[in-house]
Amino acid sequence: GDSVTQMEGPVTLSEEAFLTINCTYTATGYPSLFWYVQYPGEGLQLLLKATKADDKGSNKGFEATYRKETTSFHLEKGSVQVSDSAVYFCAGEGAGSYQLTFGKGTKLSVIP
Amino acid sequence: DAGVIQSPRHEVTEMGQEVTLRCKPISGHNSLFWYRQTMMRGLELLIYFNNNVPIDDSGMPEDRFSAKMPNASFSTLKIQPSEPRDSAVYFCAGSQAVGNTIYFGEGSWLTVV
Repeated sequence: GDSVTQMEGPVTLSEEAFLTINCTYTATGYPSLFWYVQYPGEGLQLLLKATKADDKGSNKGFEATYRKETTSFHLEKGSVQVSDSAVYFCAGEGAGSYQLTFGKGTKLSVIP
Repeated sequence: DAGVIQSPRHEVTEMGQEVTLRCKPISGHNSLFWYRQTMMRGLELLIYFNNNVPIDDSGMPEDRFSAKMPNASFSTLKIQPSEPRDSAVYFCAGSQAVGNTIYFGEGSWLTVV
């Protein structure tokens, strides 16, 4: 079945540091890929998505590129802020599928 | 757009009591999902409805759990009787159709003591 593997946290960075959270997927065909963010005490919010190879999703300074050759969708941000502290989930949805497969989440803490 | 609305946001109940969680999806969203989030298991899909019909309930943990969607604008997830191991965050989510982006509610944080 489909699976999503993301780097385990927690990750602690200083403000303005560069962020990478790795995500790889295993699926039949080419799934749509997503990053969701969960701020403390809140629900999941869609951060960005990409639906086909070489697509780049971006939002709020975050970016992720759908790499077919490496089956990856790594999340990056050039300069993190304290307000980016949250749990980040990578997820995939198979073509024609209704089901999102989530990674286990990576907790990011940004310190001033 | 009000987004997916869930209630209650927080509930603390005693073991053995019935718990009912409610969800109002975004208007026009024909697919509705109930997820459970725990530290141990992460996010698990409990049940999926399409056009108010349950399509996949294989994730429902046991008979104590039931879900209904009487119309396009309302769904419930019921636990009867509740147990401490049911303590989790329960999310309702929806999308316009299969393959479209899934939007989550803010969750119902359940504690069973």
